[in-house]
Amino acid sequence: QSALTQPASVSGSPGQSITISCTGTSSDVGGYNYVYWYRHHPGKAPKLMIYEVSNRPSGVSNRFSGSKSGNTASLTISGLQAEDEADYYCSSYTTYNTWVFGGGTKLTVL
Amino acid sequence: QVQLVQSGAEVKKPGASVKVSCKASGYTFTDYYMHWVRQAPGQGLEWMGWVNPNSGGTNYAQKFQGRVTMTRDTSISTAFMELSRLRSDDTAVYYCASLGATIFDYWGQGTLVTVSS
Repeated sequence: QSALTQPASVSGSPGQSITISCTGTSSDVGGYNYVYWYRHHPGKAPKLMIYEVSNRPSGVSNRFSGSKSGNTASLTISGLQAEDEADYYCSSYTTYNTWVFGGGTKLTVL
Repeated sequence: QVQLVQSGAEVKKPGASVKVSCKASGYTFTDYYMHWVRQAPGQGLEWMGWVNPNSGGTNYAQKFQGRVTMTRDTSISTAFMELSRLRSDDTAVYYCASLGATIFDYWGQGTLVTVSS
């Protein structure tokens, strides 16, 4: 089971919007609406930002949104803020009853 | 409140085994699968497998099959992950996590396992 493909890094200025892609296959991202997004600061536990493709847990800013088209899921952060700087990971359920993470994307707020 | 509290850091020699524990509280332990995820230095998150606390059933990532064993003790609401035949590239922070169940998503604080001769 290969890791989902994410860009290694993205950047944006405060107030701008960015999108992080997460590409898998029909056996994972494309086959199920079980795509999750996490924000991770090294040394801390990952925080759930989006669940089941596009749902936001309570307490997560509505600046965060998720979507999916075919085998690619996306996380969009609008109105970038300095506090958004972190590593972001997607994860997906797979046809093997396992889970797989993306390689992670480092977001830099310029 | 839901808490997953992991055992402390470990230092092991190559070829040895390590067993990490994860004690759950604040919810019914048998209601949610427990997953194990690791992060090696400078690397991303890597899913290792899950244990069903209710049945004891497991499913492991292919990469770890034959080397990892995930168990649980329902009497003390604790899950365990044992990794054998350790190599230097197993040096990582290991997390237990109850994930993938919509918004029921909780992680332990992480356990650093260092493999060094």
